Amino acid sequence: GAGVSQTPSNKVTEKGKYVELRCDPISGHTALYWYRQSLGQGPEFLIYFQGTGAADDSGLPNDRFFAVRPEGSVSTLKIQRTERGDSAVYLCASSLGGLAGANTGELFFGEGSRLTVL
Amino acid sequence: SQQGEEDPQALSIQEGENATMNCSYKTSINNLQWYRQNSGRGLVHLILIRSNEREKHSGRLRVTLDTSKKSSSLLITASRAADTASYFCATGAGNMLTFGGGTRLMVKP
Repeated sequence: GAGVSQTPSNKVTEKGKYVELRCDPISGHTALYWYRQSLGQGPEFLIYFQGTGAADDSGLPNDRFFAVRPEGSVSTLKIQRTERGDSAVYLCASSLGGLAGANTGELFFGEGSRLTVL
Repeated sequence: SQQGEEDPQALSIQEGENATMNCSYKTSINNLQWYRQNSGRGLVHLILIRSNEREKHSGRLRVTLDTSKKSSSLLITASRAADTASYFCATGAGNMLTFGGGTRLMVKP
């Protein structure tokens, strides 16, 4: 597709369950970012991929959160043993070469996956 | 943690008026970007200003950057009801883009 695609758009789960959120970036974009946004707040950085490798995962809140990008395109954010505090909108963004690359540094965002943990 | 802090947190104006939003940040940056977010939607990039630039224009948008004061402003001229949204500044350093808490703008018709 033309833009960043995120699935599911909405996910309701119970406390303690495992969740996967998927991001399909714009074709050709090597950089991929995951952010988390709580209601009324700005996006909070989670992890950044350059190609297949996690170049910066300093924003992951704890070891229940993990993300992969095995072929350098689609990425999956995985949350184990979900807690009510994990409820938020999870945003994925991609860019051509990362902020320090040859492009303007603009990030293209998906519409987000709204996670609700009951 | 969020580096940028927007001011005001909320702004309500009449259509046709100008809207000014301010952003302050703490550490050195490569660039500063402004994004817009409609309720329940993803963020859309508006404009990027590099650390060696002082002012930039794009249509009805004007952005200024003062690196000595670590601050930026976004001016939307001749606002329209369709400009109603949340606006976020984001500071770029290395490959990290850090967002502020946003300004919620309401433009009344």
